[in-house]
Amino acid sequence: DTGVSQDPRHKITKRGQNVTFRCDPISEHNRLYWYRQTLGQGPEFLTYFQNEAQLEKSRLLSDRFSAERPKGSFSTLEIQRTEQGDSAMYLCASSLAGGDNSPLHFGNGTRLTVT
Amino acid sequence: SQKIEQNSEALNIQEGKTATLTCNYTNYSPAYLQWYRQDPGRGPVFLLLIRENEKEKRKERLKVTFDTTLKQSLFHITASQPADSATYLCALGQGGKLIFGQGTELSVKP
Repeated sequence: DTGVSQDPRHKITKRGQNVTFRCDPISEHNRLYWYRQTLGQGPEFLTYFQNEAQLEKSRLLSDRFSAERPKGSFSTLEIQRTEQGDSAMYLCASSLAGGDNSPLHFGNGTRLTVT
Repeated sequence: SQKIEQNSEALNIQEGKTATLTCNYTNYSPAYLQWYRQDPGRGPVFLLLIRENEKEKRKERLKVTFDTTLKQSLFHITASQPADSATYLCALGQGGKLIFGQGTELSVKP
């Protein structure tokens, strides 16, 4: 179990640029989640996949955000035309879909700063 | 509207005492609730899960209670240590995902 890894750890970008983050889940986990966290707040749900199917996307999520998990393994999260309000920690997590109560295993996040 | 509320103020306690953290929720009917620990700059780490038909769960120095009538969970750390200092998050199960509270920062002083 090598854990969930995220790349990059930090990203600084100018407003209006596109950014893409990568998440590699624990290999035998078939569920993958993306969350966003700002200072002093808990993680906010963005979207999740079971294998390659995107099962749910937050209604609060702008259409500038898109996520993929093309082969049911790693996932990417892209933000187009970044805004300063997108600055946050983006967390990826994975779990086994044996039951909906399976614990989530989180990576250490990608910290995005939009200037 | 749906809400999950944890103690918004940081909790400061002395080493050896019991820390009690609160998680209240409204307009949810969760089948289970989980608690996580988060250290600065790191992702949350799973601690304990409790189901709606369970009143209490224990793991080493940790204890969680779940009262579906009061819509509340309490998280206790007994014989607290400075190494327990962190932010603690409660999370409710909703469909296939977890909804998190804002977290409570715990500081244990030697």
